Amino acid sequence: DGGITQSPKYLFRKEGQNVTLSCEQNLNHDAMYWYRQDPGQGLRLIYYSQIVNDFQKGDIAEGYSVSREKKESFPLTVTSAQKNPTAFYLCASRQAGGKTDTQYFGPGTRLTVL
Amino acid sequence: KQEVTQIPAALSVPEGENLVLNCSFTDSAIYNLQWFRQDPGKGLTSLLLIQSSQREQTSGRLNASLDKSSGRSTLYIAASQPGDSATYLCATMDSSYKLIFGSGTRLLVRP
Repeated sequence: DGGITQSPKYLFRKEGQNVTLSCEQNLNHDAMYWYRQDPGQGLRLIYYSQIVNDFQKGDIAEGYSVSREKKESFPLTVTSAQKNPTAFYLCASRQAGGKTDTQYFGPGTRLTVL
Repeated sequence: KQEVTQIPAALSVPEGENLVLNCSFTDSAIYNLQWFRQDPGKGLTSLLLIQSSQREQTSGRLNASLDKSSGRSTLYIAASQPGDSATYLCATMDSSYKLIFGSGTRLLVRP
């Protein structure tokens, strides 16, 4: 069953703590993305990776960090430096050079800071 | 910097109506334009993708058009059903394959 999985579905964090969101894909896609969605708004790009061991900042990278040590995994760490981390986080992947160039999305993780 | 706007923000229609969702963008140098569907608390599902050289795409009751010169796209939904209730997001893709999203139109189709 191919697709993108994100875990956990819900995550609660105390202020001042770092937390890591998991994103795994078995689609053999080269590129992976992290987005943040706030209520009633569209998605904003946090970080993206076009290939293993390489990643670039998106529009709102401050307070976040990522790694891409394996093709299938792209974890996102929300650090204590992120001032307003409560949001819905979506991971996506894309097959470079594919016919459609669309991105496929995971089910999301809802992070709440207490 | 690309800006994507969707109007209206919310729409409520009776079942069976044909409806149009609007999307506008400020930079016409796009690689493609995509329409996504998002159910509450869920991820996104791609509905239609229009390449920059195309004018429209159709899938079942859905038809999306693209006019790059005016910076506009529309999503037409024919014979709406309660199962169409969701948020519809428009996004442009640039030449580096990054997506810029609008804030979405929240659709409710009443039985």
